[in-house]
Amino acid sequence: GAVVSQHPSRVICKSGTSVKIECRSLDFQATTMFWYRQFPKQSLMLMATSNEGSKATYEQGVEKDKFLINHASLTLSTLTVTSAHPEDSSFYICSARRMASGSVRRETQYFGPGTRLLVL
Amino acid sequence: EDKVVQSPLSLVVHEGDTVTLNCSYEVTNFRSLLWYKQEKKAPTFLFMLTSSGIEKKSGRLSSILDKKELFSILNITATQTGDSAVYLCAVELPRGGATNKLIFGTGTLLAVQP
Repeated sequence: GAVVSQHPSRVICKSGTSVKIECRSLDFQATTMFWYRQFPKQSLMLMATSNEGSKATYEQGVEKDKFLINHASLTLSTLTVTSAHPEDSSFYICSARRMASGSVRRETQYFGPGTRLLVL
Repeated sequence: EDKVVQSPLSLVVHEGDTVTLNCSYEVTNFRSLLWYKQEKKAPTFLFMLTSSGIEKKSGRLSSILDKKELFSILNITATQTGDSAVYLCAVELPRGGATNKLIFGTGTLLAVQP
């Protein structure tokens, strides 16, 4: 299978603090990882695309200085929400792109379990 | 603006019923359409569709894509309470040399009652 983990699963923090969320692909290498945000009753919205060893590509309207992304290895990407505010409270989900090879016929995105962030 | 629209927003059925979930899209470029099932946490992959008119089937679930009319349907037959979830439709957009991205619909919340 293709398993993606996220840590922590839930975090509560005070306004103004920074929060780091980790996304790991456990049994495959992912040159590309994606970070999404999902507000209640809304769709998953892509925030940024993270490529190993290079700068992340941010979607329009997402502040790169506020949402810092580091993709230091083929199995780990981190999202840091800096100076978090209550409006940043959301469900953050990462996905990892598994390249087509061998029995995997086509590249597919596999999602992590998500991190629920509550900023007080 | 690229968008994916799902209907209905929510649906309540009884076990054994058959349901059809709809997904329509308007995008500038299309590579594939994907269906995911989201329970409490991570969306889990169901189907990837790239060609019109070819039904993909997995157990009681099946899906088909119409690239002319720009929509897809997901069918679930003989529903069970374990099918209760949010079903997400996403369209994959090619981005030239950059990594393809997914645009998601808001999902259909399915509740299957015993």
